[in-house]
Amino acid sequence: EDQVTQSPEALRLQEGESSSLNCSYTVSGLRGLFWYRQDPGKGPEFLFTLYSAGEEKEKERLKATLTKKESFLHITAPKPEDSATYLCAVQSTQGGSEKLVFGKGTKLTVNP
Amino acid sequence: DTAVSQTPKYLVTQMGNDKSIKCEQNLGHDTMYWYKQDSKKFLKIMFSYNNKELIINETVPNRFSPKSPDKAHLNLHINSLELGDSAVYFCASSQETSVWYTGELFFGEGSRLTVL
Repeated sequence: EDQVTQSPEALRLQEGESSSLNCSYTVSGLRGLFWYRQDPGKGPEFLFTLYSAGEEKEKERLKATLTKKESFLHITAPKPEDSATYLCAVQSTQGGSEKLVFGKGTKLTVNP
Repeated sequence: DTAVSQTPKYLVTQMGNDKSIKCEQNLGHDTMYWYKQDSKKFLKIMFSYNNKELIINETVPNRFSPKSPDKAHLNLHINSLELGDSAVYFCASSQETSVWYTGELFFGEGSRLTVL
């Protein structure tokens, strides 16, 4: 069964203090790994798709990287508006399914 | 101009009741989903519809019945509600169902169901 584990569960940073979130996965053939952002009381919002080991994607202060077993979401010089829960999800190649399997997320708080 | 809208946003009801949650998307997408986010924050797929046809049905009790009157709408009806059904239910849509699916889902804001 496909599994996604995210760490840490919660992370507090000071504004400008860079850090990384981790997403480790077990999947029978990775079709794609996805990062989403979820604000309180809102639905998840798509950030990135990574397809193969070595791939990187960037958006503003966020950079996502992928290896064969895990993905990292690097946050450079974060601002308070980056505070949110960041969700990682994987899609396997098994069965041609469109199903995404999500992790529990990392709740990021950036203090001013 | 909300892309994926769900109603109601909050729903409080008694055990044993039947309730529905409605979802509409104006993005022109051909695939819609229901996801459940429980108290442990796991977001799990329940159903997926493509052009009004059911394509994913996870192991969800048959008390849950999705209905898609057209490709812009996907409703969720729940019979005989139980305490364990309390969760946030998210509707989502996507543009394609091909094997090169991008993983980009557009989510609604969620419907928080509380069963007393």
